[in-house]
Amino acid sequence: AQSVTQLDSQVPVFEEAPVELRCNYSSSVSVYLFWYVQYPNQGLQLLLKYLSGSTLVKGINGFEAEFNKSQTSFHLRKPSVHISDTAEYFCAVSPHGGKAGTASKLTFGTGTRLQVTL
Amino acid sequence: GAVVSQHPSRVICKSGTSVKIECRSLDFQATTMFWYRQFPKQSLMLMATSNEGSKATYEQGVEKDKFLINHASLTLSTLTVTSAHPEDSSFYICSARDPLANYGYTFGSGTRLTVV
Repeated sequence: AQSVTQLDSQVPVFEEAPVELRCNYSSSVSVYLFWYVQYPNQGLQLLLKYLSGSTLVKGINGFEAEFNKSQTSFHLRKPSVHISDTAEYFCAVSPHGGKAGTASKLTFGTGTRLQVTL
Repeated sequence: GAVVSQHPSRVICKSGTSVKIECRSLDFQATTMFWYRQFPKQSLMLMATSNEGSKATYEQGVEKDKFLINHASLTLSTLTVTSAHPEDSSFYICSARDPLANYGYTFGSGTRLTVV
């Protein structure tokens, strides 16, 4: 089984300031890692994902995340946020394995509300 | 990437009635779809996994008879909330594996259900 912890339920930040949203996970098997963004009353949009290879992953909208296996973390960062980045951010994991082409379920963290103000 | 169309986006129904939510995969076939429930300011909780042509797999604690899932074709999965009660009010989201993205998932836009 997998679990995901997002310790910060809310992160207030001023526009153009840097931000880091923390994510830690626990799993007995190797996992793929994801960050999603959700705007009010909408579905989820993928920001980035880590499957393998380089531990620094770049995503959309200027976001990046670094996979740290020893610390079982996958923190999300952005060097300069914008008002439009205000949203809910979810970290998620999915286990490796399974048949090719099949889908494994995602386990989500509780989310972090990023509030960007002027 | 691939698109999943979810309908309706909002629905208000009376207690005791049933509501059907549809998710359609556009331009791709989804043999598996996931149904999530999200309470206000909380995370997504997986309710069930629907598989085309077979019975859905429900997560522990989810009532199969209350939340009926049907995946009759490779492009359509439905969730029916039967005999709805106010405590069923929530945001429901479907998801499918994105065949155009390596281990990616695409999500519907969600359905806000309010039971009065």
